[in-house]
Amino acid sequence: DVKVTQSSRYLVKRTGEKVFLECVQDMDHENMFWYRQDPGLGLRLIYFSYDVKMKEKGDIPEGYSVSREKKERFSLILESASTNQTSMYLCASGNRHAFFGPGTRLTVL
Amino acid sequence: QQPVQSPQAVILREGEDAVINCSSSKALYSVHWYRQKHGEAPVFLMILLKGGEQKGHEKISASFNEKKQQSSLYLTASQLSYSGTYFCGTEIDTDKLIFGTGTRLQVFP
Repeated sequence: DVKVTQSSRYLVKRTGEKVFLECVQDMDHENMFWYRQDPGLGLRLIYFSYDVKMKEKGDIPEGYSVSREKKERFSLILESASTNQTSMYLCASGNRHAFFGPGTRLTVL
Repeated sequence: QQPVQSPQAVILREGEDAVINCSSSKALYSVHWYRQKHGEAPVFLMILLKGGEQKGHEKISASFNEKKQQSSLYLTASQLSYSGTYFCGTEIDTDKLIFGTGTRLQVFP
């Protein structure tokens, strides 16, 4: 079975903190994704990576950066967390279709 | 770039049918359908590629009209287990997956 794991299920941070969300997949997928999910807005793509060190902006990249140093790991970085980044963050990987991780519910106070 | 889904919500009795539509303003390479149950990650249902194909999964099937840039998901003789939020995902450029805002489906006995 494909496994996509995320470092935390719940995270609480303060405004201005630097936040790292980690995602690891075990199926040697080239493609990895970060989405945020908010009520009524669906799943919005933040960043997408199609290979190690390769990345592409999604629809809402402002305030976020990503890192993919190894194929299995894709990190989402909030350089200076703000309250409007409180959300559910979902990582996914897959070459033909996406397998999702369990999500990280981030609260920024 | 987000595809538009309609309706936003559907309420059904067991055994009834439903159709969920997904429409894009851009030419599509493929359309994916996922279902997310409450508190869980989205799960892949099916993918439709260019060519106007129709695919099925149990009593759930989908069509893809490439010319109209639309896809529809058909749920036949709905079961309680069909409850959840359905997302269409679209690929405009290959591999970059953009999701719609979701359709919440509730099936009652």
